[in-house]
Amino acid sequence: NAGVTQTPKFRVLKTGQSMTLLCAQDMNHEYMYWYRQDPGMGLRLIHYSVGEGTTAKGEVPDGYNVSRLKKQNFLLGLESAAPSQTSVYFCASSTDRLAPLYGYTFGSGTRLTVV
Amino acid sequence: GEDVEQSLFLSVREGDSSVINCTYTDSSSTYLYWYKQEPGAGLQLLTYIFSNMDMKQDQRLTVLLNKKDKHLSLRIADTQTGDSAIYFCAVSSGNTPLVFGKGTRLSVIA
Repeated sequence: NAGVTQTPKFRVLKTGQSMTLLCAQDMNHEYMYWYRQDPGMGLRLIHYSVGEGTTAKGEVPDGYNVSRLKKQNFLLGLESAAPSQTSVYFCASSTDRLAPLYGYTFGSGTRLTVV
Repeated sequence: GEDVEQSLFLSVREGDSSVINCTYTDSSSTYLYWYKQEPGAGLQLLTYIFSNMDMKQDQRLTVLLNKKDKHLSLRIADTQTGDSAIYFCAVSSGNTPLVFGKGTRLSVIA
């Protein structure tokens, strides 16, 4: 029972490079989310999806794109990485509500450094 | 939008009780959660409370909700070194994704 799996776990990028973070869940959850965690800032929502083929912007969407082509996968893309995008990225999923009884299930995170 | 505030640090002695506080701004917040993050790990749900409740107890954890003051607290009884972690408060009206506070780093001194 893997839950939410994020790949890669660590990555170092040079400014201007692009990359895609992959999130996969095996719980048949409808909703998926991408948050970033920065020291002293808590978790801030980047984008989320309420179903296959749908995406919506969160609090800090600029510089990121997302896609939800399959129900179990939610991809986060950085087209041209900037040092301000150095962060720990968390993917989460939930059944079929934005505020479910048992909250969101989180992955273990991707630590991204942009130099 | 919703704003969720927490103090950043709390230090307690092993065996004492810990109280972590959270305030939020949106009175329509109906669903309130506490998450725990251990070093290098993701977030794990500890407990939750709904706005039609004032208190919820689950073993060593007690959650108190003051809707009038928009104040949520998490009390951990008999705090152990294994409780050292970052604790996040998260809230939602049900129509928006969870909004998280900045997290409170709990340090337990043996």
